[in-house]
Amino acid sequence: SYVLTQPPSVSVAPGQTARITCGGNNIESKSVHWYQQKPGQAPVVVVYDDSDRPSGIPERFSGSNSGNTATLTISRVEAGDEADYYCQVWDSSSDHVVFGGGTKLTVL
Amino acid sequence: EVQLVESGGDLVQPGRSLRLSCAASGFTFDDYAMYWVRQAPGKGLEWVSGISWNSGTILYADSVKGRFTISRDNAKNSLYLQMNSLRAEDTALYYCAKDSRASSWSNWFDPWGQGTLVTVSS
Repeated sequence: SYVLTQPPSVSVAPGQTARITCGGNNIESKSVHWYQQKPGQAPVVVVYDDSDRPSGIPERFSGSNSGNTATLTISRVEAGDEADYYCQVWDSSSDHVVFGGGTKLTVL
Repeated sequence: EVQLVESGGDLVQPGRSLRLSCAASGFTFDDYAMYWVRQAPGKGLEWVSGISWNSGTILYADSVKGRFTISRDNAKNSLYLQMNSLRAEDTALYYCAKDSRASSWSNWFDPWGQGTLVTVSS
């Protein structure tokens, strides 16, 4: 089955740039979606189809996907960005939805 | 406003059954695929099952296949998950989620409900 690998944690100072990676075999051939989940809340999509941003999501959130790694980039990080972030793809070979293990973003 | 409200979560003994429901409003329910995703306490997200807008396609994660059954009633704008032979490892918050695109499949999930808690313990 298809596996997505994320770092368990990323730490960044306010105002700096956070990069959260999502590794998968030839992931560039898939559409990658990113969710933000704050404590006690349901996940919310922040980037879809690799690099598109839903309305209401700040431009500080961006995504890219190349080779075996997709990346969620959060520019000018704010305290309110502290959350768990998950990547997700559809694995057409197994017809399964796959989530990464999640990355806890800590704002120092 | 699109709303998804889950219900039916409870404390249940191993081997027993439980049925979850998800009431949808604010959109044309029978135009969208729907999904169940769970999250064990302190753990990450795990996709459980999905059903197309017309129930023509139904998929399950390997961990629940043969034990769980997803269904929908488009007349009642409702999604269901029948869970049989429950195990301790099924303990989780169960979210229902809507596909992001009408008459489509395998997209991102938007939005999600707030979840209903299932605890499997003797």
